[in-house]
Amino acid sequence: SYVLTQPASVSVAPGKTAKITCGGNNIGTKGVHWYQRKPGQAPVLVIYYDADRPSGIPERFSGSSSGNTATLTISRVEAGDEADYYCQVWDSSSDQSVFGGGTKLTVL
Amino acid sequence: QVQLVESGGGLVKPGGSLRLSCAASGFTFSDYYMNWIRQAPGKGLEWISFISRINGDTNYADSVKGRFTISRDNAKNSLFLQMNGLRAEDTAIYFCARASNGVYDSWGQGTLVTVSS
Repeated sequence: SYVLTQPASVSVAPGKTAKITCGGNNIGTKGVHWYQRKPGQAPVLVIYYDADRPSGIPERFSGSSSGNTATLTISRVEAGDEADYYCQVWDSSSDQSVFGGGTKLTVL
Repeated sequence: QVQLVESGGGLVKPGGSLRLSCAASGFTFSDYYMNWIRQAPGKGLEWISFISRINGDTNYADSVKGRFTISRDNAKNSLFLQMNGLRAEDTAIYFCARASNGVYDSWGQGTLVTVSS
């Protein structure tokens, strides 16, 4: 089955840029979606199809994907961005959805 | 606005059964694939199952195949998950999520299922 690999944690100072990676075999050929999960809240879609941003998501959130790595970039990080972030793709070979293990973003 | 509200969670003994429901509102329910996704304590998100819009095509994660059954009632804007043969490792918050072209664009708040003797 398809596997997505994320770093367990990323730390960043307020105002700086955070990059969260998601590794997968030829992930650049799939559509990658990113979700933010804060404690006690429902997950929220922040990036879809690699780089598109849903309405209401700040422009500080951006995404890219190429080769074997997709990246979620959060610019000018704020304390409110502290959360777990998950990448997700659809694995057409198994007709199943796959999530990465999640990355805890800590704002120092 | 889109609203998804799960219910039916609770405490159940190993080997027991539980039926989760998800009430949808604010959109045309029959236009969307629907999914169940869970998060075990201290773990990440895990996709469980999807059901197609009309004809009821379904698929399941290997971890629940043969034990869980997803269904929907478009007339009542409702999604269901019948869970049989529950195990301790099924303990999790269960979310229903609307899918649009494979993207989970709306989620419920979740319902907690605890499997313990």
